[in-house]
Amino acid sequence: QKEVEQNSGPLSVPEGAIASLNCTYSDRVSQSFFWYRQYSGKSPELIMSIYSNGDKEDGRFTAQLNKASQYVSLLIRDSQPSDSATYLCAVNLSGGSYIPTFGRGTSLIVHP
Amino acid sequence: ETGVTQTPRHLVMGMTNKKSLKCEQHLGHNAMYWYKQSAKKPLELMFVYNFKEQTENNSVPSRFSPECPNSSHLFLHLHTLQPEDSALYLCASSQDLGQVHQPQHFGDGTRLSIL
Repeated sequence: QKEVEQNSGPLSVPEGAIASLNCTYSDRVSQSFFWYRQYSGKSPELIMSIYSNGDKEDGRFTAQLNKASQYVSLLIRDSQPSDSATYLCAVNLSGGSYIPTFGRGTSLIVHP
Repeated sequence: ETGVTQTPRHLVMGMTNKKSLKCEQHLGHNAMYWYKQSAKKPLELMFVYNFKEQTENNSVPSRFSPECPNSSHLFLHLHTLQPEDSALYLCASSQDLGQVHQPQHFGDGTRLSIL
């Protein structure tokens, strides 16, 4: 069974801190990795994608990919209360069609 | 505005009713998806269409019937639903299933409540 695992949280961090969200996946040959943010009652919104080992930065967000260890993480610097949401990790696992597999999501709470 | 529009946004129906959910995407994509998201549960993939052809049916009960008349439109026909079917139903699209580096774009969802 190909899986994507996330700690459901909640992860609670103070405003201004770095929030670190982690995701592991079971399929060694996975090639595409995505982070979505979902506010309560809303739909998932793509915030980062990463395809190669290493770091990818976009504003306050940094995605980190380590294919050898089969994990992908999302760092949020200078966390704000507006970052409070559920963060979904999605992985395009190997196979003939690239349908993403989603993790359960990690709930992040940024408190003032 | 994500380019994926779902209607209605909210739907309340009785167990004997028949209704349909509609999804339209303006992104030029060829793959479309239906997901169910219940409270405190992960996204559940229901159906996938690629170039109008259904490629996935994730053991979804027959009371849910999808329809994809063209690459821009996707419907989910509902009949004789159960209370446990109350959830947020999300439509998504992506370029097509042959593209490895392709994110999904989601609509705002339909909040469905079964009385």
